[in-house]
Amino acid sequence: SQQGEEDPQALSIQEGENATMNCSYKTSINNLQWYRQNSGRGLVHLILIRSNEREKHSGRLRVTLDTSKKSSSLLITASRAADTASYFCATASPYNNNDMRFGAGTRLTVKP
Amino acid sequence: DTEVTQTPKHLVMGMTNKKSLKCEQHMGHRAMYWYKQKAKKPPELMFVYSYEKLSINESVPSRFSPECPNSSLLNLHLHALQPEDSALYLCASSSQGKTYEQYFGPGTRLTVT
Repeated sequence: SQQGEEDPQALSIQEGENATMNCSYKTSINNLQWYRQNSGRGLVHLILIRSNEREKHSGRLRVTLDTSKKSSSLLITASRAADTASYFCATASPYNNNDMRFGAGTRLTVKP
Repeated sequence: DTEVTQTPKHLVMGMTNKKSLKCEQHMGHRAMYWYKQKAKKPPELMFVYSYEKLSINESVPSRFSPECPNSSLLNLHLHALQPEDSALYLCASSSQGKTYEQYFGPGTRLTVT
């Protein structure tokens, strides 16, 4: 079953702009991960943030986690056309790290 | 080698057929997963194997039968599927250590006619 919701469902921006995607979840978590999926392909892991962390950076990616609000955000700075993809958050159960559930996803389009 | 391979890439099968999807990884990961993904939807967890033992079965219909012959291989046996089972089937693997990021294969696009 799906863990939570993401918004927006779709986002269209110009190259060079920043893109922010939000994820909310329903249950306690051990960690939260963000994945990217190019059309009809496998998912690629982007970044993992643990439940005791509040912010994490990786290159042009910045992830925040607010466990009190059960929400996370992914910021992609200086977006490129190659960032066009679907982005999913995924949460792992605190009882079983292998039990990972995905949010609904945000479809990002970056126009050149 | 950080690659998860899946075969076949595409599969068309009738409702009376028996077929198998295969997944392989050589990263030494001891957890392997099957997900089902419908168009414009997130992946849905089907099965998880941990140390070659089935640890999660998400109430998947018995027409889907997983198998983990060894730590590198994962199969999904298909029998008497329905058209609504048409989807992208994704395999993934992860270590059982401190990090739990999953590595995904490219998927098998299954069409049931």
